[in-house]
Amino acid sequence: SQQGEEDPQALSIQEGENATMNCSYKTSINNLQWYRQNSGRGLVHLILIRSNEREKHSGRLRVTLDTSKKSSSLLITASRAADTASYFCAPKSGANNLFFGTGTRLTVIP
Amino acid sequence: GAGVSQTPSNKVTEKGKYVELRCDPISGHTALYWYRQSLGQGPEFLIYFQGTGAADDSGLPNDRFFAVRPEGSVSTLKIQRTERGDSAVYLCASSLQGATEAFFGQGTRLTVV
Repeated sequence: SQQGEEDPQALSIQEGENATMNCSYKTSINNLQWYRQNSGRGLVHLILIRSNEREKHSGRLRVTLDTSKKSSSLLITASRAADTASYFCAPKSGANNLFFGTGTRLTVIP
Repeated sequence: GAGVSQTPSNKVTEKGKYVELRCDPISGHTALYWYRQSLGQGPEFLIYFQGTGAADDSGLPNDRFFAVRPEGSVSTLKIQRTERGDSAVYLCASSLQGATEAFFGQGTRLTVV
């Protein structure tokens, strides 16, 4: 399967805490992307990390990638209520398709 | 337009009817994806276009589902003889080329009654 599998399935934290979500995949990749989805509608691209990168930052987001373990993690620091959403990873191989797992549903409690 | 546009945003149809869902990708994006998503699930891949041709249609669940992209821009997802199990949000996305980030539309919520 080319899709990533996110873990945990659900995560509930207090506002201000950090949230960590993990992604495991099975195939070789060119890059891995993280997306967020609010209210079951369109997904929004958050960050892309290439296979030759180990860590990438964007604002309060930090993504790591371990290609030897075929895993990635997404850290959201100083969480806010507005971060409440579902988060999906998408391992990407060349020009191939984008596949999504079931996601991590994050709830940030004010 | 500035983003991916999907029409209609909501569609209610009777079981057995035919429906068409439209996706207008971002101008210049060669890759176009269709997904469907049921409540509490992740987006389920249906079909992926590179230009005018379907590069991967392995996700289409059966022969009632068909999608076209005749000029390499707008795409239409067609569902024949709709069933109640087809009820879902249908998402479309586009990207510049296969390996870059994808931009999603807001989806079409299809309800089959």
